Amino acid sequence: AQSVSQHNHHVILSEAASLELGCNYSYGGTVNLFWYVQYPGQHLQLLLKYFSGDPLVKGIKGFEAEFIKSKFSFNLRKPSVQWSDTAEYFCAVRDYGGATNKLIFGTGTLLAVQP
Amino acid sequence: DAGVIQSPRHEVTEMGQEVTLRCKPISGHNSLFWYRQTMMRGLELLIYFNNNVPIDDSGMPEDRFSAKMPNASFSTLKIQPSEPRDSAVYFCASSSGPSAPQHFGDGTRLSIL
Repeated sequence: AQSVSQHNHHVILSEAASLELGCNYSYGGTVNLFWYVQYPGQHLQLLLKYFSGDPLVKGIKGFEAEFIKSKFSFNLRKPSVQWSDTAEYFCAVRDYGGATNKLIFGTGTLLAVQP
Repeated sequence: DAGVIQSPRHEVTEMGQEVTLRCKPISGHNSLFWYRQTMMRGLELLIYFNNNVPIDDSGMPEDRFSAKMPNASFSTLKIQPSEPRDSAVYFCASSSGPSAPQHFGDGTRLSIL
């Protein structure tokens, strides 16, 4: 079965530092890839998604992610983080098996940005 | 636009009691998902519906959990009897189809004493 690995469980950065959060999924085929963010006490919100086309995807709030098919990866990046980026970040993959719409989530990465 | 609406936002009850969580998906969305989030296990999919029909309930922990979707605009997740280990945040999400992202509700924070 498909699985998602987020290797960084907890990341602490200072403001203006660059961010890269890793995400790998377990096997290929056609997949849709997502990054969600959960701010403290709030629900998950979609940051960005990849379905096809340009493997470099730009999302909201200055985030971007690069899909590298050969590495089964979809890492999230931001060149300069802000204190307001403190949140938990979830990578998710959907096996595009036709009618199914089931997302498999990673365990999340908790990002703390220090002012 | 109204998002996914969940109620209640918080519930505290004693073990053994029946708990019912409610969800109203975004109008026009035909897929609905129930997730459970805990510190230990992260975000787990419990069940999902497509066009009001349960498609995959493999994530439902045990017979104490049941979910229904009587119509396109309403779903319930019921726990009977509840146990302290059921304490978690339960999220409902909906999407408009296989190629669409999921939109999450604010969640129900459930505490079983």
